[in-house]
Amino acid sequence: TQLLEQSPQFLSIQEGENLTVYCNSSSVFSSLQWYRQEPGEGPVLLVTVVTGGEVKKLKRLTFQFGDARKDSSLHITAAQPGDTGLYLCAGAYREQTGANNLFFGTGTRLTVIP
Amino acid sequence: NAGVTQTPKFRVLKTGQSMTLLCAQDMNHEYMYWYRQDPGMGLRLIHYSVGEGTTAKGEVPDGYNVSRLKKQNFLLGLESAAPSQTSVYFCASSYRGAGTLSLNTEAFFGQGTRLTVV
Repeated sequence: TQLLEQSPQFLSIQEGENLTVYCNSSSVFSSLQWYRQEPGEGPVLLVTVVTGGEVKKLKRLTFQFGDARKDSSLHITAAQPGDTGLYLCAGAYREQTGANNLFFGTGTRLTVIP
Repeated sequence: NAGVTQTPKFRVLKTGQSMTLLCAQDMNHEYMYWYRQDPGMGLRLIHYSVGEGTTAKGEVPDGYNVSRLKKQNFLLGLESAAPSQTSVYFCASSYRGAGTLSLNTEAFFGQGTRLTVV
């Protein structure tokens, strides 16, 4: 059984602060994706990381894939109220059928206070 | 751009009633998925389809059935609803298997259906 634990589960910070969200598993994934979900909407893809040790930057967001491809982190610099939302990591795995699917983490709910 | 459209957006069912959730995508995607989202548990895969006429079980398939008669539509059925099926249901689609090590691996999600079973 896959298990992707995210920490912290909830995070409330002031505008301008930095934060890091973690996604940890005992399983190895072929790739890992990060999504952001706003209230009443479906998740929207932010980034896909594929190679162990890979670092990707998306404006103020920095994503890192662990060397062993079991964990990942999301760092936000100078958080803004627009960053508020539920952040979900998702690991890619292959089913017995041969299909490639995603296993989602438990989520981190971020609130940035103006 | 419609993307992925789910109907209905809200529904209240009594225990034992049946219903069908409809998902439609206009991106010509091969893969389609049904997830449920519960507080503190992230998104869990119910069923998925890798193409028209094919379906497969995901992590939590019990109590649900699906059909993919047309490439653009993926239906999720509850034959006899139970309170444990109270959840927010999301449909998603992708060109290839989401997370596949190739291009176009992004999963596109609908806006969700909030289902309450009383």
